[in-house]
Amino acid sequence: LAKTTQPISMDSYEGQEVNITCSHNNIATNDYITWYQQFPSQGPRFIIQGYKTKVTNEVASLFIPADRKSSTLSLPRVSLSDTAVYYCLVGPTDSWGKLQFGAGTQVVVTP
Amino acid sequence: DAGVIQSPRHEVTEMGQEVTLRCKPISGHNSLFWYRQTMMRGLELLIYFNNNVPIDDSGMPEDRFSAKMPNASFSTLKIQPSEPRDSAVYFCASSLASGGTDTQYFGPGTRLTVL
Repeated sequence: LAKTTQPISMDSYEGQEVNITCSHNNIATNDYITWYQQFPSQGPRFIIQGYKTKVTNEVASLFIPADRKSSTLSLPRVSLSDTAVYYCLVGPTDSWGKLQFGAGTQVVVTP
Repeated sequence: DAGVIQSPRHEVTEMGQEVTLRCKPISGHNSLFWYRQTMMRGLELLIYFNNNVPIDDSGMPEDRFSAKMPNASFSTLKIQPSEPRDSAVYFCASSLASGGTDTQYFGPGTRLTVL
């Protein structure tokens, strides 16, 4: 499974856009990129997933450059409730669901 | 849907005792996962099942840990005997199918404290 590297922590103010970049230099052809969010005392929750270019849903956007060696999760206009740990995962479609969670990025949003 | 259900939510036990954690996956999901989360090691996959069959248990730390899935709606993770270093939050997750792109739905976790 591809190794991922992301910042340990990021701070932001309410209303700002938060961009978290994840590096995955050895991503394989059949790997997808998935992001999860974890609030304190809760299990991780799926946010978004993509293979290439850009994916957007009601929560976030995921930008993936052509070489796919990195990806950026974009959280628009964050609020205090977006304070959480964000995990970037890379895995193949045939991995039987086995995903490796790294250390994640702790995002802290303040007023 | 009730989501993934785990019990108990909190467990405090003494070293040497047997601990059994329980999980009910989302109905219709074919894959089930057990994770352990600690501050030091983060979120670790212990074992996962597909169609009630254990697929990969390489993450199980040692023989003291065992997991079963007797049917599609129930799984257990047992620790016998328990040790203080087993203290952690244990999560169960399920997904609809077995592909790497399938979303995993996590339960609320069981916070285990071994004294």
